Formats: sequence, structure tokens, C-alpha cells
Amino acid sequence: AQSVTQLGSHVSVSEGALVLLRCNYSSSVPPYLFWYVQYPNQGLQLLLKYTTGATLVKGINGFEAEFKKSETSFHLTKPSAHMSDAAEYFCAVRTFGGTSYGKLTFGQGTILTVHP
Amino acid sequence: KAGVTQTPRYLIKTRGQQVTLSCSPISGHRSVSWYQQTPGQGLQFLFEYFSETQRNKGNFPGRFSGRQFSNSRSEMNVSTLELGDSALYLCASSQGTTGSTDTQYFGPGTRLTVL
Repeated sequence: AQSVTQLGSHVSVSEGALVLLRCNYSSSVPPYLFWYVQYPNQGLQLLLKYTTGATLVKGINGFEAEFKKSETSFHLTKPSAHMSDAAEYFCAVRTFGGTSYGKLTFGQGTILTVHP
Repeated sequence: KAGVTQTPRYLIKTRGQQVTLSCSPISGHRSVSWYQQTPGQGLQFLFEYFSETQRNKGNFPGRFSGRQFSNSRSEMNVSTLELGDSALYLCASSQGTTGSTDTQYFGPGTRLTVL
């Protein structure tokens, strides 16, 4: 079974500062990893994903994440925060086959606040 | 391409009633997954349908059911509503393959309030 832990339910940064949202996963097989963002009263929007290949993946809106197998981590970063980045961010893991069809396992989410 | 659509966006029901939510996937996608989102439990997987067949199911009581039609549209039904069923219900569509390209895209959700 897989699980996801997001360290810090709330993260607050100043506009222009580095954004770092932490995600650690547990999986018995090579995982596929995702970051989604959710704005108030909306669904989830895909930011980026890691499947295979390059471990540093770039996503939309200037976000990127690095898959580190040895640390079982997939932290999300953005060099310079913008007010529009304020939202809730979810890390998710997926494996394939068996009882995993169509199932994403999510972390508890991190609410990002950006101060002017 | 149009995104995932869910109807209705908001619902208010009373305990004991039943409710049906609808999800239309992205054109060409054959898999639809459903999730429940609550402040206490977060995002939890309900079930997944592919080509009209349920392939996977989460740990929810039998009051939660679903189906998928030949055009890949899906519905989920909750019978005998309880206060704890109040949540945002999200559906996600994907191609439904087992390869690395398979990515879930989410709809805006249906906000269900049970009084």
C-alpha cells in the first residue's frame, strides 16, 4: 500500500520568496507522483507529474519538483512566490495494476499563504 | 478539448434522502474516478470505472454506488444520506491505461450539504 505525507499543513511566505512544499511518499513499487493545486471552491488542477526519466520535473506557473528515491521525497518548489499562488496544494502517488486502478492516494494538503 | 464537467455544482439534501451526481469526462477518456473531499478526512478514493466496469473500489459503505455509461459519462449515487456525507465530490477522468501517460484530470466538483 502507498501513502503520502505532506509536512506542514500551512506554509506562509512573502511575495517574491522561495516556495518549498514538502512531500514524502511510501510505496512498495516504483511510484508515479503528482502535485495538484486547488483554489477555493474549485477542483484540482495538475501542476506537474513524475513518471519515469528525468527526476527534476517542471510544471505550470513556474513550479518544479525533484524526485529523490533515496529520500522517498517529491518536494515542490518555486523560486519566487506570487500572490496568485495562494491555494491548497496536494501531493499524490499512484501505482498501477492490481487494486490500484484509477486510484490516487493524496497527502493531507498544504495551504500556501502569500503575504505582500 | 472541453474539461471534465460535473453537475450539479451544489446540492442540499436532508438525512435519509438519496442523491445522484453526474460526471462527463474529457472526450476520449474512458476512465472515471470519484473522490470524496472533507476537511477531516481529506481526499478519499471512492471508485473507478472503465468501459462501464468498476475496476476498483475504496473503503466506503454500500450506500455509495456508481455506474458508467457507454459514452463514458458516470454517475454516483448515495442512498440514505447521513450528515457525514456532506462533502465535495470530485470526479477525475483519464485514458485509463496502465502506462506512464495516464493522468487524472479533475472536474470542479459537486458540493453536497446534508441537513
